[in-house]
Amino acid sequence: QFHVVESGGGVVQPGGSLRLSCFSSGFVFHTFGMYWARQAPGKGLEWVAFVENDGSKKYIDSVRGRFTISRDNSKNTLYLDMSNLTPEDTAVYYCGKPQVGFAPRPLDVWGQGALVTVSS
Amino acid sequence: EIVIMQSPGTLSVSPGERVALSCRASQSVGSDLAWYQQKSGQPPRLLISDTSTRATGIPARFSGSGFGTEFTLTISSLQSEDVAIYYCQQYNMWPLTFGGGTRVEIK
Repeated sequence: QFHVVESGGGVVQPGGSLRLSCFSSGFVFHTFGMYWARQAPGKGLEWVAFVENDGSKKYIDSVRGRFTISRDNSKNTLYLDMSNLTPEDTAVYYCGKPQVGFAPRPLDVWGQGALVTVSS
Repeated sequence: EIVIMQSPGTLSVSPGERVALSCRASQSVGSDLAWYQQKSGQPPRLLISDTSTRATGIPARFSGSGFGTEFTLTISSLQSEDVAIYYCQQYNMWPLTFGGGTRVEIK
């Protein structure tokens, strides 16, 4: 069965940094592009970043230059390095695996999410 | 950026009734449209991709239709376990965008 598990969430002050990790199992990690999405408290879903299996990356405009998505295929792990955080970045961050096919594709595996709270 | 609008915002339906949720894109996305279900306190679950293809394990009472800019998710006979927020998402063009969701409640 496919699984992704996020870790690294927590409380951080405005302007601070945080790294999220996402460990994947049950599928051949290095063959899939991987996604981060987020959901602010009581709000809808927002796609944040994507890294293809060849390492190419895409970001939503509001995080470009502040967030960096990366992957370590030897560890089946996806990362999201977040810096210069603002209260508007407060959200549950989800890691996701897409369906098979040329990107972009919908996410058919989601983690339980990691809560990031940006507050002084 | 493709803007996705969902309507209505909330739907209150009796068990067994047919439910139709609408999703509209600001420009054509072809058939690159997915639907997700999110129950309280849980991550989203993929219901439908490519407008009308049910994901693995999704009951047949869920169906999708449409093309271009107008899409519909239909629940043929609402069950109590279908109480959730439903989101549509386009993946035709970056950035990927979601609608604001439709909350489905039991009357």
